[in-house]
Amino acid sequence: DAKTTQPNSMESNEEEPVHLPCNHSTISGTDYIHWYRQLPSQGPEYVIHGLTSNVNNRMASLAIAEDRKSSTLILHRATLRDAAVYYCILRDNWGGGGSNYKLTFGKGTLLTVNP
Amino acid sequence: SAVISQKPSRDICQRGTSLTIQCQVDSQVTMMFWYRQQPGQSLTLIATANQGSEATYESGFVIDKFPISRPNLTFSTLTVSNMSPEDSSIYLCSAGASGGYNEQFFGPGTRLTVL
Repeated sequence: DAKTTQPNSMESNEEEPVHLPCNHSTISGTDYIHWYRQLPSQGPEYVIHGLTSNVNNRMASLAIAEDRKSSTLILHRATLRDAAVYYCILRDNWGGGGSNYKLTFGKGTLLTVNP
Repeated sequence: SAVISQKPSRDICQRGTSLTIQCQVDSQVTMMFWYRQQPGQSLTLIATANQGSEATYESGFVIDKFPISRPNLTFSTLTVSNMSPEDSSIYLCSAGASGGYNEQFFGPGTRLTVL
């Protein structure tokens, strides 16, 4: 399985941007880069995903390096509600034609947001 | 999107007994998964619940210990059999459409304590 490397923890101040890095040097050409986060006492929730190009949605932006060996999740203005564990995951595909998949979670980055 | 509910939300069980956890999705989904999250740890995939066929188990998990059913496209159960204190954990159900580019949804989890 392709693996990712993330810092164990990061700290930010409220209302400031946060850049969460992820290294995935063994990524294959068909792996999608997914980000999920898990708020305290909740199940994980989807944040964003991408393949090659940078992506934006209402929650965050995803910047993908040109060689795809690293990516950065950007929270433009952190709030206290963004305090969570953020997981960078390469989407495994198995089965014919990429019709099946599974998410393999690493340890993630614990983001603390200071008021 | 899909909303996932799990029953029970928590339980305290005696060693040697079994517990069945139910997972209900509010829409038809292709893929359903069961994860375990031990205290302070990341999520570990137990198995993929396949509709109409046997579940696909990850290394370290076996059908006799974690039998799974998936009778239709919206429902699955996970049984934790012959429980020991080491089985104390949060068990999470997850679901989504097939394809590496699709987001996966998670239930709130079932917190199991085995005495």
